[in-house]
Amino acid sequence: QQQVKQSPQSLIVQKGGIPIINCAYENTAFDYFPWYQQFPGKGPALLIAIRPDVSEKKEGRFTISFNKSAKQFSLHIMDSQPGDSATYFCAASITGYKLSFGAGTTVTVRA
Amino acid sequence: DAGVIQSPRHEVTEMGQEVTLRCKPISGHDYLFWYRQTMMRGLELLIYFNNNVPIDDSGMPEDRFSAKMPNASFSTLKIQPSEPRDSAVYFCASSATQGVYGYTFGSGTRLTVV
Repeated sequence: QQQVKQSPQSLIVQKGGIPIINCAYENTAFDYFPWYQQFPGKGPALLIAIRPDVSEKKEGRFTISFNKSAKQFSLHIMDSQPGDSATYFCAASITGYKLSFGAGTTVTVRA
Repeated sequence: DAGVIQSPRHEVTEMGQEVTLRCKPISGHDYLFWYRQTMMRGLELLIYFNNNVPIDDSGMPEDRFSAKMPNASFSTLKIQPSEPRDSAVYFCASSATQGVYGYTFGSGTRLTVV
């Protein structure tokens, strides 16, 4: 079964908009939540990651928001650019164990 | 470092043929993962190794699939015999000690079985 549920499946925004991708999990033992970015013809690449002891983490234009009580986390892409068009995967793991990936969200940023 | 290197990039084969996919992990990484990506099922973990030893192969779909890691710098995923439903992109990833932090993926092998 899918341990991490991701939505939406796809979304389209205009340049400068803020696409938001949401993920939910059930296993409260998860303690590491990374996001991966994948461009066509490439493998996924680690983008940003968070641990449940913080509620928000920013790296450049990418922000993760984490709600431990709701067991949800989300990725925001601030001031999105056409070059951000890619598929984004959330994931979760227990320290030292394998990652469980969400189904992926295809983001299209129109110029 | 050149990253995780996979070969071939593309493979087209006929149903029933044997297919071998290859992976060279990043030097010093002691975890290696094989994933399959399809539109229907997303990213699926097939098997992973730690220090060349298979740890979890529960994702291997059936006996037609096998994976080996004879040394720290090389792994293979073999499908014998191949079937059209095996068509997918196969990724290899590696990671340093602790396993799950910062997987580095290769560029993948796109397999088409006709």
